[in-house]
Parts: sequence; C-alpha cells; structure tokens
Amino acid sequence: RKEVEQDPGPFNVPEGATVAFNCTYSNSASQSFFWYRQDCRKEPKLLMSVYSSGNEDGRFTAQLNRASQYISLLIRDSKLSDSATYLCVVNSPSGTYKYIFGTGTRLKVLA
Amino acid sequence: DGGITQSPKYLFRKEGQNVTLSCEQNLNHDAMYWYRQDPGQGLRLIYYSQIVNDFQKGDIAEGYSVSREKKESFPLTVTSAQKNPTAFYLCASSRALGPETQYFGPGTRLLVL
Repeated sequence: RKEVEQDPGPFNVPEGATVAFNCTYSNSASQSFFWYRQDCRKEPKLLMSVYSSGNEDGRFTAQLNRASQYISLLIRDSKLSDSATYLCVVNSPSGTYKYIFGTGTRLKVLA
Repeated sequence: DGGITQSPKYLFRKEGQNVTLSCEQNLNHDAMYWYRQDPGQGLRLIYYSQIVNDFQKGDIAEGYSVSREKKESFPLTVTSAQKNPTAFYLCASSRALGPETQYFGPGTRLLVL
C-alpha cells in the first residue's frame, strides 16, 4: 500500500460546481497534513494546512478523519482558475521528519 | 520580496557530464530540500539540510550530491552516476525541520541530450 494515495482524476466539473477530493495515508502516527496546488509545469504552492478540527478558507474546506486515515478537500463554487493538480502531503513520522507527497488529483473546471 | 529562486529554468546534460542546479532563498529559513518530480509520480526527496554545513540523504540520493556552505544556498549536483536524470527538480525551504510549511522554488527542468 502506498504511503499516500490520491485518485489521479481528472475530475471534470462545470463552473459553479462543488467538488471533493480524498487522500488516504497509511501511517496512523502522521501528524501534519497539507494540500498544495500545482499548475502545469509550475512549482507546488501551499493551498492550506489541514487541522484536526477541520478548517475553511473561502471556498475551500479541508477535513481530517483520523479513524479512517484520510484527508479531504472540498471546493465550492468552482472557478475556471481552480483548474490544477491538487497534491496531498502528509508527514512521515518514522525516523527523520519528512513529508510524503501524493501523486496529485487533476481538476478541470469547464466553462 | 522574499522567496526561493532556482536557476537555470532549463538545463541540458550530455552523457557523462556533471551539472549543478542552483537554489537560493532569502526567507531566512534554516531547512532546505531537493525533490525530484517525474510524470505520474509524487515528489521524491533527494537531499535535505537542517542547518548550514549539515545535510542528509533522502530517499533517492544515489547519483546526486549537495553542499550547504551558506544558509541561503543549497546547490544540487547531478553526477554522471545518475543514469536517469531527466526530471523536474524542485528546491524547497522551511523555517525549520519539522511540522513546518515548505515553500518551493520555480523548479529546474533537466533534460539529457
């Protein structure tokens, strides 16, 4: 089983739609979780950290489910500019502190 | 205007040649990282540095070398021992090693001639 798994997509949604992605992680001791956005041929940029109680930033909501070991990202009222690949990032608590990156979920918002 | 810069944007390597990728940050971050990204794969950690004059191997260090002589700089050398170097290389930094947000540079795309 991969340490971090994401559905690669693509998710094709119309403008204004609500879309949700999940990301599962294998190490129950992981403590830090992030969502990054990566545009084609560009560097990843932090979208939001994921806190235990869940958190919201405008149209974006992140949730953590420790029991089932997954994090989710919900995007409401999708914009064309939301089209990108969304990377799930989880810390690896075994040995030296480092992060494990998922392969990303590709989102296309259609006009 | 703080950030991370990487150069060059594109780099071509001939067989048997060593090449060096530059990474500079002015965020006053202690920790710096090098990742490699291949199509369809997540970012993989090559090397990381917690502090000046210290660095550690990541998951795929073979064929690569680094130095950390200054806080701001963390260059990566891709040696001729790296048999499949074609990839997108990303440098990142964070305030410290640990549960800290990582910020990325714009990346260098390395191609083998």
